[in-house]
Amino acid sequence: QSVLTQPPSVSGAPGQRVSISCTGSSSNIGAGYDAHWYQQLPGTAPKLLIYGNSNRPSGVPDRFSGSKSGTSASLAITGLQAEDEADYYCQSYDNRLSGSVFGGGTKLTVL
Amino acid sequence: QVQLVGSGGGVVQPGRSLRLSCAASGFTFSNYGMHWVRQAPGKGLEWVAVISYDGSNKYYADSVKGRFTISRDNSKNTLYLQMNSLRAEDTALFYCAKDTTIFGVASAFDYWGQGTLVTVSS
Repeated sequence: QSVLTQPPSVSGAPGQRVSISCTGSSSNIGAGYDAHWYQQLPGTAPKLLIYGNSNRPSGVPDRFSGSKSGTSASLAITGLQAEDEADYYCQSYDNRLSGSVFGGGTKLTVL
Repeated sequence: QVQLVGSGGGVVQPGRSLRLSCAASGFTFSNYGMHWVRQAPGKGLEWVAVISYDGSNKYYADSVKGRFTISRDNSKNTLYLQMNSLRAEDTALFYCAKDTTIFGVASAFDYWGQGTLVTVSS
């Protein structure tokens, strides 16, 4: 059972928009800690996709965006492409556990 | 360019020890916190431990506390993870990851190594 809760899977057709939620609690996202998002393509290491709730590292397309509200964060992907098919993880800090925590991951399927 | 190269993984019997290393290059290693993150086969990411830029602060996941020790040698640009009393449930791909800040608390991991596989089995 992960501290941050994500849907196990989402799917969408090419060109569509999908959203992935990350629900935390008052000891992590709700306490004001930032949410970060990672993309893990099959057989590769995770890659930072969004940091500080809504910031994109250099090189990440603006099709990817993040937001945070209350105890939750969200990752949105617009203009879906086949290459976006991957696992996506949210991450934050938990002051009760005194460490970083990850969501369980969401598998994105591009139909 | 930033490179993190992990090594030291392998097959080990339950109860034995193993030390992982992560050689860093392409950035000023002594200026950043560093993490270990693991991923069991077919499972999600699990944060394991963090060490601050100078090694003075270390934090661990409850699942490894008292068994694993994170350390660093800034003169060698290398991060370590000493793993003792290994269990079958520790079987995973272990990634080292660079933090975006000096303390590695409440911040993102901007670069990841390729992972080194640890298999605990008799």
